[in-house]
Amino acid sequence: DSGVTQTPKHLITATGQRVTLRCSPRSGDLSVYWYQQSLDQGLQFLIHYYNGEERAKGNILERFSAQQFPDLHSELNLSSLELGDSALYFCASSEGGGANTGELFFGEGSRLTVL
Amino acid sequence: AQKVTQAQTEISVVEKEDVTLDCVYETRDTTYYLFWYKQPPSGELVFLIRRNSFDEQNEISGRYSWNFQKSTSSFNFTITASQVVDSAVYFCALDLFASARQLTFGSGTQLTVLP
Repeated sequence: DSGVTQTPKHLITATGQRVTLRCSPRSGDLSVYWYQQSLDQGLQFLIHYYNGEERAKGNILERFSAQQFPDLHSELNLSSLELGDSALYFCASSEGGGANTGELFFGEGSRLTVL
Repeated sequence: AQKVTQAQTEISVVEKEDVTLDCVYETRDTTYYLFWYKQPPSGELVFLIRRNSFDEQNEISGRYSWNFQKSTSSFNFTITASQVVDSAVYFCALDLFASARQLTFGSGTQLTVLP
């Protein structure tokens, strides 16, 4: 158990819909990262939040957005869903936000299926 | 841009055999971390090791060992006396100091250990 909690574990929805994925980082970790694992693109970095502020963006679509709340949990919002958005979405957390920020621990992922 | 190549898509071995998973990386940065993660059939990403670019010492942890060679930009992973429970997808990843924890993952190697 990494200590990173993601909900829901599985989600099935239809094209055009909107979903929200939730992540609670490990106790004491200020950084939250979102990654997407798809058959086409493999594992890729989406976005990083540190203590409530966006730190970096990767290959995140404009239809996707995220935020980190004062209690440090984070949500990833996916809208106008397309079939290609079907993937395993991972949240990860780490203690700090810089280069020596400690290990990166991943949650179990939220598997999104868009029909 | 950085890149991680895991040329072995799938490997099958018989239990108790040794197996080496290859990882080759590309980056112009001189300061970086290299990671290995294990993804068992259940789907979570399990942290195995992190090495920084300043430390080329090989590391051994039980049946696992890692060989880091900057001269060939490789960070190979060996499992000694493999077991069925080692069956999983293994990912190598690169993390630049400059972009902390925005990991660039390889495409993964599916390891199957047969009884």
